[in-house]
Amino acid sequence: DGGITQSPKYLFRKEGQNVTLSCEQNLNHDAMYWYRQDPGQGLRLIYYSQIVNDFQKGDIAEGYSVSREKKESFPLTVTSAQKNPTAFYLCASSRRDRAKEQYFGPGTRLTVT
Amino acid sequence: DAKTTQPPSMDCAEGRAANLPCNHSTISGNEYVYWYRQIHSQGPQYIIHGLKNNETNEMASLIITEDRKSSTLILPHATLRDTAVYYCIVRVNNRGYSTLTFGKGTMLLVSP
Repeated sequence: DGGITQSPKYLFRKEGQNVTLSCEQNLNHDAMYWYRQDPGQGLRLIYYSQIVNDFQKGDIAEGYSVSREKKESFPLTVTSAQKNPTAFYLCASSRRDRAKEQYFGPGTRLTVT
Repeated sequence: DAKTTQPPSMDCAEGRAANLPCNHSTISGNEYVYWYRQIHSQGPQYIIHGLKNNETNEMASLIITEDRKSSTLILPHATLRDTAVYYCIVRVNNRGYSTLTFGKGTMLLVSP
């Protein structure tokens, strides 16, 4: 079955540690996205990538980093510079010509204490 | 991007049609209306989109008013699994990069 996987579903970290969230897709989509969702809020774009080896900052990129070495994978690193890292992180992918029909993964809930 | 307004919550009885409204009075001619939903603690799911004609797929129907200032998402026979937050988004359907800006949406509660 085609889809997007994110792992793990729940992640706990101590303040000051970097943490990497995994996102893999087998939909053959060129574009991939990372969003963050806070309780009762909509989604905010962190980073996006339209093609391998290229990525762009979204609205709230500070404190985050990404890489896109393979078409299927778009890992997100939450660094210690991110002031409020506790959130629900969602990865999505899309065809380049249907960018608004985004397919989302199940999400990773990160808690930093 | 045009701003959208949705009621914060709605109730629907199982088996009945759920009609979710969205106002987008500032929509411009090249902007599409997209609907997504998000079941609690899961990623959003694309439902349907349209420009000016009514659209139907296996999940739902989208009715857009003639002046395009509002639309209604219809779930014809709501089930308990349709309980979710429904988001109406208006964006230009340009190719390439496009972020999705989700507002607070409508929490639809389907009851037995």
